[in-house]
Amino acid sequence: EVQLVQSGAEVRNPGESLKISCKGSGYSFTTYWIGWVRQMPGKGLEWMGIIYPGDSDTRYSPSFQGQVTISADKSINTAYLQWISLKASDTAMYYCARPRCSAGSCQYIDFWGQGTLVTVSS
Amino acid sequence: DIVMTQSPLSLPVSPGEPASIYCRSSQSLLHSNGYNYLSWYLQKPGKSPQLLIYFNSNRASGVTDRFSGSGSGTDFTLKISRVEAEDVGVYYCMQGLQSPYTFGQGTKLEIK
Repeated sequence: EVQLVQSGAEVRNPGESLKISCKGSGYSFTTYWIGWVRQMPGKGLEWMGIIYPGDSDTRYSPSFQGQVTISADKSINTAYLQWISLKASDTAMYYCARPRCSAGSCQYIDFWGQGTLVTVSS
Repeated sequence: DIVMTQSPLSLPVSPGEPASIYCRSSQSLLHSNGYNYLSWYLQKPGKSPQLLIYFNSNRASGVTDRFSGSGSGTDFTLKISRVEAEDVGVYYCMQGLQSPYTFGQGTKLEIK
């Protein structure tokens, strides 16, 4: 059974750093892309970016390029989403997700993590 | 970016009645391989989204045949043949043709 298990909720002050995680199991972690989707409070879904753990090839949506860092440690089947300096506007639920990608595009997302709520407030 | 526009944004439905949700893309989602790169998701209250339909009309594993997807190019429809209480939540369409991959605004289905 494919599972994506995310780390727990976090509360941070503006300007602080943060790294959240997503552990994949039940499939070959290194041969599927894995990515992150943001959902701001009461809003819709936004694709942030993806990484291929096999070779660490990483692709960001333009809106998130330079704002976050996506990484993966294939030795422990875990993907990460990291911020260097959080802003209040980063407050959101973050979902890790496994997209099905081929021939240069990611056609759909077949599995989702349970979500990690990040709250940034002073 | 490809813009995805859903309608209606709110959909009250009586149990046992059919329901349709529409999704329009700003560019054709028809790939040269003949597949439309359009998928549908349901986010139940307080839960993660779940895949319902991929490649426009293929039901995901475990999804009831009360759900069906149709359309092509820029206009797509998700149909629920008979709405049940467990179908409440927000439905999203997503295009997977071109990065950045984009979602519709969501359609909130509620039971009358």
